[in-house]
Amino acid sequence: EVQLVESGGGLVKPGGSLRLSCAASGFNLDLYTMDWVRQAPGKGLEWVSSIHPRSNYIYYADSVKGRFTISRDNAKNSLYLQMNGLRADDTAVYYCARDFGYSYGYGFDSWGQGILVTVSS
Amino acid sequence: QSALTQPASVSGSPGQSITFSCTGTSSDVGGYDLVSWYQHHPGKAPKPLIYGASKRPSGVSSRFSGSKSGNTASLTISGLQAEDEAVYYCCSYVGGDTFGYVFGSGTKVTVL
Repeated sequence: EVQLVESGGGLVKPGGSLRLSCAASGFNLDLYTMDWVRQAPGKGLEWVSSIHPRSNYIYYADSVKGRFTISRDNAKNSLYLQMNGLRADDTAVYYCARDFGYSYGYGFDSWGQGILVTVSS
Repeated sequence: QSALTQPASVSGSPGQSITFSCTGTSSDVGGYDLVSWYQHHPGKAPKPLIYGASKRPSGVSSRFSGSKSGNTASLTISGLQAEDEAVYYCCSYVGGDTFGYVFGSGTKVTVL
């Protein structure tokens, strides 16, 4: 069974940093593009970032470009999101998600339960 | 990247069919057959319903179907059931100068 479990969320002050982790199990992580998707309180889903299996292609939403860094360690079955320069509008539930196992762009076939990040003074 | 446009809410009675839209541009929905749909119940992980504009993942009920014409994709739920009450999001691959995904604004489905 595919499982994605996020950790590392919490309360952080504006301008601060946080690193999210996603532990993957039940499949070969090194075969899949992985993503982060977030949902701000009362808002819709927003794609944040994607990373290809060998980290050779990485994409970011304009809203996080230059502040967030996605990475992965296939040997540790883990995905990460380093978030720097956090702002109040980064407050959201962050989901780790797996791309469908085809070429990039088909969407997300598995999701974690999400982890809350709150940016507030 | 602007969110894809979805109606804020749609409602129907049990057993009815409902269809709602997801409108984008030629850089996303219209440019590729790479639209996916998700069902989201509050506090739970989103569930994939459709990928590749009209394909259903294994295990998804045939009551859910997707289509696309031009810059607009659509999701149809037939034989509406109480458990279908949720928020539905479309999502499209974005190509051109940037790469990634864009989600729709979400449609709240209410079963009367």
